[in-house]
Order: sequence, then structure tokens, then C-alpha cells
Amino acid sequence: SAVISQKPSRDICQRGTSLTIQCQVDSQVTMMFWYRQQPGQSLTLIATANQGSEATYESGFVIDKFPISRPNLTFSTLTVSNLSPEDSSIYLCSVELGLAGYEQYFGPGTRLTVT
Amino acid sequence: AQSVTQLGSHVSVSEGALVLLRCNYSSSVPPYLFWYVQYPNQGLQLLLKYTSAATLVKGINGFEAEFKKSETSFHLTKPSAHMSDAAEYFCVLRLAGNKLTFGGGTRVLVKP
Repeated sequence: SAVISQKPSRDICQRGTSLTIQCQVDSQVTMMFWYRQQPGQSLTLIATANQGSEATYESGFVIDKFPISRPNLTFSTLTVSNLSPEDSSIYLCSVELGLAGYEQYFGPGTRLTVT
Repeated sequence: AQSVTQLGSHVSVSEGALVLLRCNYSSSVPPYLFWYVQYPNQGLQLLLKYTSAATLVKGINGFEAEFKKSETSFHLTKPSAHMSDAAEYFCVLRLAGNKLTFGGGTRVLVKP
């Protein structure tokens, strides 16, 4: 299994500002994933982050709004830019360990509230 | 398109009663399927997984799921509900590129 931590665990931000979320894994992984969970909703994949290359974004998500960094094999950041109340969600990172039978492990999430 | 559908956004069961959560999938290739649980204000925890081995899969906390190709289903069951089972449950399908697509989720309420 993998131990994943996220910082911050929660934040309240003002409209128009940005929040950067950090994701740290206790082992080296090739792929990291970022998900959004809007209030009362399921999870939606934002992007896949590979070390050494540009992140790949899903339909409806763009790099200008959700820039991602992946500087090494254990760390990634997601920035949510130009915040609006609609960005209020839980943001989660996950990793898949190839030897673990395709299961993904999730961080505890970052709860963002935009006022 | 590959997708998962969970039938019932809310399920209410009495303590000690059977828990049955329904999930149907659509996939053009042999699927990898998972059930995750999300307890209030916590992250996601893997309950069990199907990766083309045994069709009856046992997971943690007494849960199990049966993969039925003919019905394109992967329903989750637990014989006897416990108060601690109150949570949201997600049926998940693994797509190409290691991506996951989530069902809409089923919130379980356990009544004493």
C-alpha cells in the first residue's frame, strides 16, 4: 500500500485568489492523479501527472485553471487559480502501485471553500 | 463509452439486515472493477477489487461482491449491517491509462 498526505487539509479562500495543494507519497510512483469531488457529488478526474512531462487534462479542465507540477516521483502540486465559489470542493490525489493489482490509493483530500 | 452506474443514491438498512448496493458497468474490454468507501470527513478506502480472477470477491469489513458478466453487474453485499457501515460507497471502473471512472455513489444509512 501507499501512504499519501495532502496539505492543506482544508482552507477558506477569497474569490479571485489561488490555492496550491500539495500531495506527498511515501514511495516512488510513475503516475499521480488529481480528482475533484464537488459537494454531494462523486469524484471526477481532473488530470494525470507524470514525472518529467506535462500533465494530461480531462475534458472540461484546463491548465490555466488547474496548473499541475510534478517535480519528482513522490510529489505533486495542484493549483486552483482565479477561485470562484463554484470551485468549492474536495480535491484528492491518488496513485496506482503497479504491483498492487491496479488499485489506487487516495490521499485524505483537501477541502476548499471559496467565499 | 465505458461507465458505471449505481442504482440508488441512498440506501437505508436496519442494523443486522442485509446490505445490497447495486452497480452496473459498461465496458468494451474485460473490466477491472472496485468498490471504495468514504466515511464522513475521511478519504477513500478500498473495500475490494475484481481483476478477472475469481468472480466472487471478498473484501474488508465483511463485504463481498460478485462479478456477473452476463448481467454486467458488480453488486456489493454484506450479510449483517453494522452502525459503523454508515458511509458513502463508490463503484469504480478502471479505464485505459490507469484512469478511474466513478459511479455516482450510494450513501448508506444504518438504523438502530
